[in-house]
Amino acid sequence: DAKTTQPTSMDCAEGRAANLPCNHSTISGNEYVYWYRQIHSQGPQYIIHGLKNNETNEMASLIITEDRKSSTLILPHATLRDTAVYYCIPFNQGGKLIFGQGTELSVKP
Amino acid sequence: DSGVTQTPKHLITATGQRVTLRCSPRSGDLSVYWYQQSLDQGLQFLIQYYNGEERAKGNILERFSAQQFPDLHSELNLSSLELGDSALYFCASSNPGRLNEKLFFGSGTQLSVL
Repeated sequence: DAKTTQPTSMDCAEGRAANLPCNHSTISGNEYVYWYRQIHSQGPQYIIHGLKNNETNEMASLIITEDRKSSTLILPHATLRDTAVYYCIPFNQGGKLIFGQGTELSVKP
Repeated sequence: DSGVTQTPKHLITATGQRVTLRCSPRSGDLSVYWYQQSLDQGLQFLIQYYNGEERAKGNILERFSAQQFPDLHSELNLSSLELGDSALYFCASSNPGRLNEKLFFGSGTQLSVL
């Protein structure tokens, strides 16, 4: 399983963009980059995923570098409800989803 | 609402006992996954079933077992419980045959072993 490196914690002001980085230098060619988040003690929630192209949905944008060794999740206008632990996970569809330590994002008023 | 149902929401029991956690996947999802989240360990993958068959195993103790039934619901059985088994147990479901597979998680069962 590919390993990831994410900052342990980050702060963001409410209404500003939150940019969460992730290094996944050992990702294999058939692994997608998935992002999940977990709001305190709730079940993890899917955010977005991509293979090599940038992706955007109603929740966030995902920027993947050309060499696929890192990615950035962007929450364009963070709100207090976005306070959560964010996980970047290389995932081979059909395989196991393995969570690392994630980034604890605190959105402050 | 993710569509994944876990019961019970809370369970309090004593050391040495046995409990069963239940998970109903989203309609159409063939895979079920179990995860354990304790305060000091983060989210740990335990086991995955696909259409009734075990597909992948993680850090699951021998005292724990799981199965997926023909109607695709799954049960996680925890026996000879120890204090350290106190944790949140999450179930997730997905359909691996679908393009852009996503796992959807239930709201968890909080197990307290006293």
